[in-house]
Amino acid sequence: KNEVEQSPQNLTAQEGEFITINCSYSVGISALHWLQQHPGGGIVSLFMLSSGKKKHGRLIATINIQEKHSSLHITASHPRDSAVYICAVPRWSGGGADGLTFGKGTHLIIQP
Amino acid sequence: NAGVTQTPKFQVLKTGQSMTLQCAQDMNHEYMSWYRQDPGMGLRLIHYSVGAGITDQGEVPNGYNVSRSTTEDFPLRLLSAAPSQTSVYFCASSPRAVPLHFGNGTRLTVT
Repeated sequence: KNEVEQSPQNLTAQEGEFITINCSYSVGISALHWLQQHPGGGIVSLFMLSSGKKKHGRLIATINIQEKHSSLHITASHPRDSAVYICAVPRWSGGGADGLTFGKGTHLIIQP
Repeated sequence: NAGVTQTPKFQVLKTGQSMTLQCAQDMNHEYMSWYRQDPGMGLRLIHYSVGAGITDQGEVPNGYNVSRSTTEDFPLRLLSAAPSQTSVYFCASSPRAVPLHFGNGTRLTVT
């Protein structure tokens, strides 16, 4: 069964700073997911990636399949980026319908 | 499109009571799933379904039942609520076997 570790657990930064959140997993996967959860809100899927890098606005996600590691970067951070960011991977190396296993999340606060 | 709709948003139950958490999606997704989220822990899969008439257990299924009579609906039933089931519950759907669309959650307190 896949195990997911995220770091840091908590991160407070000033507006405009470059943010990096890390995710490591234990078993080879077909794809990794980054999710965003605002306080009191629902969960939004940001990225699904299986190799290389993806970019959406100020968000960049990278993955190194060989090292079983992914990073989520936020450029020019803004207070509205304050949220919990969650990494998720398939529960088993073969993937399948029995879903994902999730990291415990990184609680990000961007101060103005 | 409404996406994934969960009801109710909040619920308080007494130990031993039963209730159903509703989940509906209007995207014709085959895959639906239920998760619970507890402080200090990641989301954990309770039950999932890969299509109407097909359900299976996830990581933490004890104390919960599901059914999938239609593509749109995937209700979660608590048979006899316990304080350990106090949590935030999320329903999710996807055209494939990964949850990409989440509902807004149901915050359940069992006293």
